[in-house]
Amino acid sequence: EDKVVQSPLSLVVHEGDTVTLNCSYEVTNFRSLLWYKQEKKAPTFLFMLTSSGIEKKSGRLSSILDKKELFSILNITATQTGDSAVYLCAPPFNAGGTSYGKLTFGQGTILTVHP
Amino acid sequence: GAGVSQSPSNKVTEKGKDVELRCDPISGHTALYWYRQSLGQGLEFLIYFQGNSAPDKSGLPSDRFSAERTGGSVSTLTIQRTQQEDSAVYLCASGWTAQETQYFGPGTRLLVL
Repeated sequence: EDKVVQSPLSLVVHEGDTVTLNCSYEVTNFRSLLWYKQEKKAPTFLFMLTSSGIEKKSGRLSSILDKKELFSILNITATQTGDSAVYLCAPPFNAGGTSYGKLTFGQGTILTVHP
Repeated sequence: GAGVSQSPSNKVTEKGKDVELRCDPISGHTALYWYRQSLGQGLEFLIYFQGNSAPDKSGLPSDRFSAERTGGSVSTLTIQRTQQEDSAVYLCASGWTAQETQYFGPGTRLLVL
């Protein structure tokens, strides 16, 4: 069974700080890993990572995947109060030739950014 | 363009009643998923549709839960004889294919009294 562990479970910082969120996974037939930001109800897509060592960047957010060590990190620089949310990572399920894509979510990291 | 939409946004029902939750995926997306998130819990997978068929129903918690998808588009999740433990946010997501990015709808918050 696929397993995803995120750390830390919660993080409290002040505006301007830089944070690093971790996601480790044990996945059969790994193909990709997705990062989402969840505020209130719906998760919002951030990144899809498929290749090791290639950083994906969007504004102050960036993420990288290490397929050898089976983990990914999400960095947020110069944090703002609007970054406060739950950050989720999830690999889509892939059973060999059958690509179902259902996501196995980690517990998430609750990020709180104070002014 | 239009994202995934779900209705209703909130639903309050009495224990024992049936409820239907609707999901309109992004146009052209063949893959559709239902997840739920109970209070204080993580997101858990319920069912996956590819087109109108459901090759993976492994996450449905009991036979009171069923779902269908018609025309390769709209999906309905039905919960019969609702129980209090069914209270949760039900999220729908869609993607171009099973291995592409999934985009989530705003969810339906279900409260069973």
